[in-house]
Amino acid sequence: EAQVTQNPRYLITVTGKKLTVTCSQNMNHEYMSWYRQDPGLGLRQIYYSMNVEVTDKGDVPEGYKVSRKEKRNFPLILESPSPNQTSLYFCASSFGNSYGYTFGSGTRLTVV
Amino acid sequence: GENVEQHPSTLSVQEGDSAVIKCTYSDSASNYFPWYKQELGKRPQLIIDIRSNVGEKKDQRIAVTLNKTAKHFSLHITETQPEDSAVYFCAARGSNYKLTFGKGTLLTVNP
Repeated sequence: EAQVTQNPRYLITVTGKKLTVTCSQNMNHEYMSWYRQDPGLGLRQIYYSMNVEVTDKGDVPEGYKVSRKEKRNFPLILESPSPNQTSLYFCASSFGNSYGYTFGSGTRLTVV
Repeated sequence: GENVEQHPSTLSVQEGDSAVIKCTYSDSASNYFPWYKQELGKRPQLIIDIRSNVGEKKDQRIAVTLNKTAKHFSLHITETQPEDSAVYFCAARGSNYKLTFGKGTLLTVNP
């Protein structure tokens, strides 16, 4: 089944404890992206990648890191999480510039 | 960068009526405009999209129109049903290849 898989689905962590949210797609998509969703603010792009080893900042990149060492994987790293990073995170992938994103199931992160 | 404005933020209609959601964008080089539906607790799902070389696209009860001159595009849902109730997002892909979303419209279809 074609899909974008994120893990974990839910995560509660403490301020400052490094964490990684994994994202993997099995559709051979070129583009991958991370969004955060907060009430009233819609979906805001954190980072995106147009191909292996090619990444760029989105609208809200502060406090996040990404890497794209393989085409299928695009992990999101929070080196020192803070409470303002409590949010619902979505990973997404697409074939290219004129195609829509397929979203993962989301990761609900709480930082206390 | 691209800026996408979406209106209204909430929309309530009676079952069987039509619903229209409007978006404007700022980057004249934007060339791809998808619409997503997000049901409560679920992921956003692509329902229809339009590319800049087309003015209108229809898929059963949903249609999207694009006015490149005015830099706005709209989603039209006809004969609405309760299962159409969800949050709808428009988006635009600008010259920097980023996909920027509007803030969403909560559509409620009352039986």
